[in-house]
Amino acid sequence: AQSVTQLDSQVPVFEEAPVELRCNYSSSVSVYLFWYVQYPNQGLQLLLKYLSGSTLVESINGFEAEFNKSQTSFHLRKPSVHISDTAEYFCAVSETGGSYIPTFGRGTSLIVHP
Amino acid sequence: DGGITQSPKYLFRKEGQNVTLSCEQNLNHDAMYWYRQDPGQGLRLIYYSQIVNDFQKGDIAEGYSVSREKKESFPLTVTSAQKNPTAFYLCASTGTRSKTSSYYGYTFGSGTRLTVV
Repeated sequence: AQSVTQLDSQVPVFEEAPVELRCNYSSSVSVYLFWYVQYPNQGLQLLLKYLSGSTLVESINGFEAEFNKSQTSFHLRKPSVHISDTAEYFCAVSETGGSYIPTFGRGTSLIVHP
Repeated sequence: DGGITQSPKYLFRKEGQNVTLSCEQNLNHDAMYWYRQDPGQGLRLIYYSQIVNDFQKGDIAEGYSVSREKKESFPLTVTSAQKNPTAFYLCASTGTRSKTSSYYGYTFGSGTRLTVV
């Protein structure tokens, strides 16, 4: 069975500072990995995903994540955050065999201070 | 524009009453899902349906029921048997019931916040 651990429940950071949101997963088979973002009182939006190939994936708004198979991690990074990045971020893992239904982490609240 | 519509956005229910949350999609997606979100708990799968007239229990199905009579619609009923129904409920869909769904990720609705009073 697959599982996801988001190591930080809350990450406060100042505007224009770099940030890293950590995600570790556990699975006995190959996986697909995702990051979703949720703004207050809204649904989740897909931010980026790793399916195969290059281990570094990027989103259109400056976030990137790197798949590290040996460390079973998929950490999300941004070199310079904006106030508008304040949101809840969820890491998810889906096994490449079986039902493909993802398991979500508990979320990390990114709080960007001016 | 295509998307998922959840209604109502806010819902209040008295203890002992059943209540139905609506989820409609115009994306022509085969698979639909219901998740429950509680603070600090992430998303937990309640039910999912990968084809019309068929659905499967998720991790926390007790106290909930669903139907999938049309491809576009996947309503969730929160019954009086659900011990702690106050939560934020999210509906999602994916294009197919195969691994292709993972290639595109999920499309989520904007959620229904249910409060039991």
